[in-house]
Amino acid sequence: AQSVTQPDIHITVSEGASLELRCNYSYGATPYLFWYVQSPGQGLQLLLKYFSGDTLVQGIKGFEAEFKRSQSSFNLRKPSVHWSDAAEYFCAVSTSGTYKYIFGTGTRLKVLA
Amino acid sequence: EPEVTQTPSHQVTQMGQEVILRCVPISNHLYFYWYRQILGQKVEFLVSFYNNEISEKSEIFDDQFSVERPDGSNFTLKIRSTKLEDSAMYFCASSETVEAFFGQGTRLTVV
Repeated sequence: AQSVTQPDIHITVSEGASLELRCNYSYGATPYLFWYVQSPGQGLQLLLKYFSGDTLVQGIKGFEAEFKRSQSSFNLRKPSVHWSDAAEYFCAVSTSGTYKYIFGTGTRLKVLA
Repeated sequence: EPEVTQTPSHQVTQMGQEVILRCVPISNHLYFYWYRQILGQKVEFLVSFYNNEISEKSEIFDDQFSVERPDGSNFTLKIRSTKLEDSAMYFCASSETVEAFFGQGTRLTVV
């Protein structure tokens, strides 16, 4: 069965520091991969997506992610974190067929001033 | 830019009551979904709907739940006889193919 693992439940970084959020997936075929951000009580905002092609994808708010097939990973990165980046981040994989999304358990990011 | 619209944004209901959550998907989309997020937890797939029928449903989506596309624009989730544990944020989504667009959610509180 397909699954998404986000090993880090909480991450704390200082403002201006770099950030990497980990995501591993389990899926037999080439997955469609997504990162979403969610502020408390709010909806899901798409940061970036990977369907095919260049394995390094750029997203909004200065985020990027790299698809590594050999590691079944799709880690999210940002070179310099801003206080406004504090939120919960969800990795998701979409499957062919019904295109349903499977979400990871999320990583809550705290940013220290 | 087209968006998925959900109403209401908040709903409070008494245990045992029926609720209907409403969604207006993006007009040319063919696939429709409902997801649930219990407070502090991950987003969980409930059901997908294509060609006027359910194409896939999760274990959560039992007989208590039903979906309908009553007209050409709305997509609804009905929860019969609500329970305390149904309290959650419910997200509607729609897609042409892979990329789904999510609504802002309906926060359901069962008291």
